[in-house]
Order: sequence, then structure tokens, then C-alpha cells
Amino acid sequence: AQSVAQPEDQVNVAEGNPLTVKCTYSVSGNPYLFWYVQYPNRGLQFLLKYITGDNLVKGSYGFEAEFNKSQTSFHLKKPSALVSDSALYFCAVRDLDKIIFGKGTRLHILP
Amino acid sequence: DAGVIQSPRHEVTEMGQEVTLRCKPISGHNSLFWYRQTMMRGLELLIYFNNNVPIDDSGMPEDRFSAKMPNASFSTLKIQPSEPRDSAVYFCASSNREKLFFGSGTQLSVL
Repeated sequence: AQSVAQPEDQVNVAEGNPLTVKCTYSVSGNPYLFWYVQYPNRGLQFLLKYITGDNLVKGSYGFEAEFNKSQTSFHLKKPSALVSDSALYFCAVRDLDKIIFGKGTRLHILP
Repeated sequence: DAGVIQSPRHEVTEMGQEVTLRCKPISGHNSLFWYRQTMMRGLELLIYFNNNVPIDDSGMPEDRFSAKMPNASFSTLKIQPSEPRDSAVYFCASSNREKLFFGSGTQLSVL
């Protein structure tokens, strides 16, 4: 079965600094990978996806993610963090017709 | 489109009572998913439907849980009888195959 792991429960970053939220995956075949974000009292929102093509995927709100096949990683990145980026971030993988989520990483951007 | 609509937003009930959660997916989406979110377990997939047909209900925790999708525009998740450990946020999501669109969730508290 496909799965993703987010090794960090929480990440703290100072505003203006680059941020990275880590994700590793375990799949058989070609991976379909996603990042979603959840703001307080809201449902998850799609940020970006990787299916095939360029290893660097650009998404919403200035976020990007780098697919690394040799390290089986799909880390989420942003060059300069904003306080408004503070939220819960989920990495996810498609397994047939369903999407399986990681446990989530809470990102705190410190003013 | 108004997005995925869930009702109620909040539900407080007593142990043993029946609870029904409702979801209206985005028009034209042919897949519908029910997820449960808790601090301890994160985001768990309970069941999903393709073209109104239940495909995988392996995530449904017990026989007390049941889900239906009588038509393309409506789904219910029922818990009977409810227990305090069912307290969680329940999300419905619909998909156009590329990505998931989530509702705002139902916050369920079973006393």
C-alpha cells in the first residue's frame, strides 16, 4: 500500500526566512503526490501536486515542492515565510482511487 | 459553485443517540470521501464512493458507522449508537480525480 510520512509534528520559522516541511513516501509504481493546507476551523485546501515531469512543482501561495526519487522525498518549500503561512500542512499520496494523508505538520511562522 | 457543503457544522449529542452527518458534493464530481480527523489519529479515510457506489469502506471503525449515497448530490454518514470516542471532526470531500475539495467539516461532540 502507498503511504507518506511527515517526520516533524511542528516546524517553527521566523518570518522572512525560508521554510521546509518534510515528507517521505513509500509507493509501488509511479507516485502521485500532493500537499494540502488546513487553516483553523476549515477543511483542507489543495496546494500542489506531482504526477510526472519537472521535479520542482510550483503551487498556490508561493509554495513549491521538490520531488526526489532517490531519497523518496517530496518536501514542501517556500523562499520567504509569512505569518499567514501558519497552518497545518499535509502530505498525501494517491492509492488507486483514494488519497492517503500523512499525520500533518504544524507550521508556526514567528513574527 | 458553493463548494462541498456539510451540515451541521457542530453537533453535540449524548452517548447512545443516533447522529447523521450530511454532505452535498460539488456538482459533476464523481467521487466522494468521508474522513475523520482527531488529534491522536490525524486524518483517517472512512469510506469513499465512485459514481454513488461504495468502493472501499475498510476505514469504517465499527458496525455502528454506516454511509450512503442515494444520488450524485447527497451523502450521509450515520453513527448509531454514538459513543464519546466518536468525538472528532468529520470531513466530506469530493473529487474530479485530480484533487480533493473539502467541506468545512462537522465538529461532533458525544457526551
